[in-house]
Amino acid sequence: GAVVSQHPSRVICKSGTSVKIECRSLDFQATTMFWYRQFPKQSLMLMATSNEGSKATYEQGVEKDKFLINHASLTLSTLTVTSAHPEDSSFYICSVKTYTGADGYTFGSGTRLTVV
Amino acid sequence: GENVEQHPSTLSVQEGDSAVIKCTYSDSASNYFPWYKQELGKGPQLIIDIRSNVGEKKDQRIAVTLNKTAKHFSLHITETQPEDSAVYFCATLKAAGNKLTFGGGTRVLVKP
Repeated sequence: GAVVSQHPSRVICKSGTSVKIECRSLDFQATTMFWYRQFPKQSLMLMATSNEGSKATYEQGVEKDKFLINHASLTLSTLTVTSAHPEDSSFYICSVKTYTGADGYTFGSGTRLTVV
Repeated sequence: GENVEQHPSTLSVQEGDSAVIKCTYSDSASNYFPWYKQELGKGPQLIIDIRSNVGEKKDQRIAVTLNKTAKHFSLHITETQPEDSAVYFCATLKAAGNKLTFGGGTRVLVKP
């Protein structure tokens, strides 16, 4: 499978500021990446599908102006949480689809965001 | 859309015993069924997967069974070890789809 690097692993930011999370596919050209959000003791919730060279597709209820996604290259997708609030504190995880068939999803190590 | 239910939500077993986690799904178009292990503070890691044309798959102490008619699939861990303690998630994917649908997760604790 692919090697996916997510950075940073932890970040603390002040309310009202923005924070950027990077997801890199180190050994695979990823046309499609996914961003998930996970609250404590809960499952993964898909936020958006990131497509290289085009706009991201957001799931219902996810504010696209708040969670900005950029997938400008085949190896990098970024998620920017804008004007962060304490309720945005969560564990954010990216995923890379590594095959065109019905398999091959590799996840990043996640980013713990704490907004104070 | 697809709905995936996972049971139990927590499972405590004695080291050496077996653990079984079951998932049911609603969409008959689902044809790929992976299982992920998530350790605290980390992303999920694929441990085993199965496709709809196969009924069972085994990899050392881990096995997955699929019953397409009943729309359920199960993860079996034999000879559990303390390092098996983690949260396990099942997921499904449709043939023409792109997005995994996750179950709610099972927190497994293996007591030494």
